[in-house]
Amino acid sequence: DAKTTQPTSMDCAEGRAANLPCNHSTISGNEYVYWYRQIHSQGPQYIIHGLKNNETNEMASLIITEDRKSSTLILPHATLRDTAVYYCIVRVANSQEGSNYKLTFGKGTLLTVNP
Amino acid sequence: SQTIHQWPATLVQPVGSPLSLECTVEGTSNPNLYWYRQAAGRGLQLLFYSVGIGQISSEVPQNLSASRPQDRQFILSSKKLLLSDSGFYLCAWSGHSSYTFGSGTRLTVV
Repeated sequence: DAKTTQPTSMDCAEGRAANLPCNHSTISGNEYVYWYRQIHSQGPQYIIHGLKNNETNEMASLIITEDRKSSTLILPHATLRDTAVYYCIVRVANSQEGSNYKLTFGKGTLLTVNP
Repeated sequence: SQTIHQWPATLVQPVGSPLSLECTVEGTSNPNLYWYRQAAGRGLQLLFYSVGIGQISSEVPQNLSASRPQDRQFILSSKKLLLSDSGFYLCAWSGHSSYTFGSGTRLTVV
């Protein structure tokens, strides 16, 4: 799986948009960008994923650059409960090969939402 | 809907004692199953994954083993725990897209 680079930490004011960047300059054409988050002492939670087009769901929006070398996760109105470590991961999806299902986590970005 | 159960939530075990952590999945068949460990202040490390009954792949050499006796059951074991086995253990399953994680077991070896 391609390697990703994220800032170690970020702060955001409650109610404001949180924009979390991720660089994945070595991403392959068949690799998706996934975002997960881990609230302290809980298991990681899936947020969103995309291939080329921007994606939006009830949790967040994912903006992927045209060259696919970077992406941004946007939490439109951050709340205190959004404080967590956010992981950006690139991997092949929908593969029948068992090894391609592996999800490799980096260090992620600790997002702290302040009141 | 699919659910994943992991227990116990916390466990304190003496060095040299055995370990058995169980994970079960409901609402899906033939899932890919995973065990991860997160040591204090560290990232998530994939320990084992399984694509079917009796099929186990180990990612890192260690003091632990895994088994999958049934389609939706994944067990993490050790014959003799070490202090370095302390950590937060997470079970996960995946379909063809995203992963779903259990609530984790915090293991402290004393």
